[in-house]
Amino acid sequence: DGGITQSPKYLFRKEGQNVTLSCEQNLNHDAMYWYRQDPGQGLRLIYYSQIVNDFQKGDIAEGYSVSREKKESFPLTVTSAQKNPTAFYLCASSRDRRGNQPQHFGDGTRLSIL
Amino acid sequence: AQKITQTQPGMFVQEKEAVTLDCTYDTSDPSYGLFWYKQPSSGEMIFLIYQGSYDQQNATEGRYSLNFQKARKSANLVISASQLGDSAMYFCAMRGTLNQAGTALIFGKGTTLSVSS
Repeated sequence: DGGITQSPKYLFRKEGQNVTLSCEQNLNHDAMYWYRQDPGQGLRLIYYSQIVNDFQKGDIAEGYSVSREKKESFPLTVTSAQKNPTAFYLCASSRDRRGNQPQHFGDGTRLSIL
Repeated sequence: AQKITQTQPGMFVQEKEAVTLDCTYDTSDPSYGLFWYKQPSSGEMIFLIYQGSYDQQNATEGRYSLNFQKARKSANLVISASQLGDSAMYFCAMRGTLNQAGTALIFGKGTTLSVSS
């Protein structure tokens, strides 16, 4: 079955440490997105990518970095500059770069600080 | 700026009853799309229904329908014949306009729906 795989499901970060969240899709979608969800809140856009080797900052990009070297993969790195990284992170992809098709989401990664 | 507002933090409904979840939006873009997603306690986001700004008819998908009132900028989700499995957080989202080539979604803060037997 086609879908989006996020790993790990749970992740713990030490102070000063960078961590990388994996997102892989086999839907052949061009566009991919990273969102952050805080408890009881909606999703906020961190980064998005419309095509390989290109990505753009979203509303809350500070302290995060991404790469898009392959169509299937869009990893997110939470750097030590992100002072409040505890949240639920969701990766999504969509076929239509204009946004008329629904975004498909992975199951998410819960990140906590040790 | 584009914005989605969901004013109901929580809604309660009995099994088999219908329920309406409110969503209002703000945009100056004449072309936009509205989405509803369901998020169970496990966390995954499940797409429910889509309404395009130029669609002539209200969208329907099984037990889900969208009451789209363009002049009032509202896109309320109606769930008919509620089931216990409908208990979840529901998000209204709008296609944003980040640049000419691509978009992401702007989400409301969500409504928690609780269905009781």
